[in-house]
Amino acid sequence: SQTIHQWPATLVQPVGSPLSLECTVEGTSNPNLYWYRQAAGRGLQLLFYSVGIGQISSEVPQNLSASRPQDRQFILSSKKLLLSDSGFYLCAWSGEGTNEQYFGPGTRLTVT
Amino acid sequence: GQNIDQPTEMTATEGAIVQINCTYQTSGFNGLFWYQQHAGEAPTFLSYNVLDGLEEKGRFSSFLSRSKGYSYLLLKELQMKDSASYLCAPRGYQKVTFGTGTKLQVIP
Repeated sequence: SQTIHQWPATLVQPVGSPLSLECTVEGTSNPNLYWYRQAAGRGLQLLFYSVGIGQISSEVPQNLSASRPQDRQFILSSKKLLLSDSGFYLCAWSGEGTNEQYFGPGTRLTVT
Repeated sequence: GQNIDQPTEMTATEGAIVQINCTYQTSGFNGLFWYQQHAGEAPTFLSYNVLDGLEEKGRFSSFLSRSKGYSYLLLKELQMKDSASYLCAPRGYQKVTFGTGTKLQVIP
């Protein structure tokens, strides 16, 4: 069966510090991968999605970037965090020929 | 672009039936999802409709009318554990857009 992992579960970082969040999927190959952010009391905002290694589509221009160095690994990064980057970051995957997205447990980021 | 409208909050009684409505405007419509999200947790998949009509899955059913840009999620025999946010999410080309969700509170 397929599983999706995210780490860390929680993170507190100062403004201006770098960020690296990792997501890995097991039990499937060539998944579509997604990064979402959910600010407090807000809906899910799609940040990036990837349909293959090295293929990244950005939805929202901001100080975040994403990379997909391996088929089942998706990384969200920032060089300098802003206060507005605080939120619940969710990675999701969907399979080839399937429609539903399955979410990882999420990382709760607080920028202080 | 995509525009999604669903009620912000709803309250219903344990054992009752509740219907959560969603209207949407989207380009390249390719189906609609409903997700459940408990506070502090990741969303979990409930249903997916691509054709008009009602899809039933246990206590949960989801309806879609593509011509009207309308969907609803029907929850029967409500349980306290159904207290959560319910996210309407139409799918366009390659990506899904999530609404802000309806926070459902089930009371005894």
